[in-house]
Amino acid sequence: QQQVKQSPQSLIVQKGGISIINCAYENTAFDYFPWYQQFPGKGPALLIAIRPDVSEKKEGRFTISFNKSAKQFSLHIMDSQPGDSATYFCAASKASGTYKYIFGTGTRLKVLA
Amino acid sequence: ETGVTQSPTHLIKTRGQQVTLRCSSQSGHNTVSWYQQALGQGPQFIFQYYREEENGRGNFPPRFSGLQFPNYSSELNVNALELDDSALYLCASSLLGFTEAFFGQGTRLTVV
Repeated sequence: QQQVKQSPQSLIVQKGGISIINCAYENTAFDYFPWYQQFPGKGPALLIAIRPDVSEKKEGRFTISFNKSAKQFSLHIMDSQPGDSATYFCAASKASGTYKYIFGTGTRLKVLA
Repeated sequence: ETGVTQSPTHLIKTRGQQVTLRCSSQSGHNTVSWYQQALGQGPQFIFQYYREEENGRGNFPPRFSGLQFPNYSSELNVNALELDDSALYLCASSLLGFTEAFFGQGTRLTVV
């Protein structure tokens, strides 16, 4: 019940295309869902996050779509660029107590020039 | 850059040895969490410290221990190192009551 399942494991997209990464969770107590971007040899960097009181959040080319009833959320990267090539992790947390993050297994995105 | 700094960046240890990893929190943050990231996996929560006290622990054995200092910097100590402890160790700082956490660049530990 603590797992966050992420798919696909890897993704190849043409420059200018849309990259879509999906995550699903089971614990309904989760109420904070961030996405992190990680480049090789670096720590994860917070990209965008959403709470379940909204169904969509957009920041620049990055959009999170959230479906509370299906317990799923996804990251959409519009106009994907070669510089977006990285590993993306979704995560879930409860906004109380320890605030620990449960991470997905990651999606390795490669954007072709 | 997040302002969370970790040292050292790389470390090689022998099985059975002990290691100490260090983390300086982002200014204004009072909470530090440690994560272990095995190659090709997502980070796994080890524990969290708030006001120098452990504030939650993941599924890691007692040979993983930590400290938080009055300036909110932190240490992760691992005793009796095993080969499976080889991983990227990440420190994340945050402000208790707020869910945003910011990660350092990590310490790559290799146990041989």
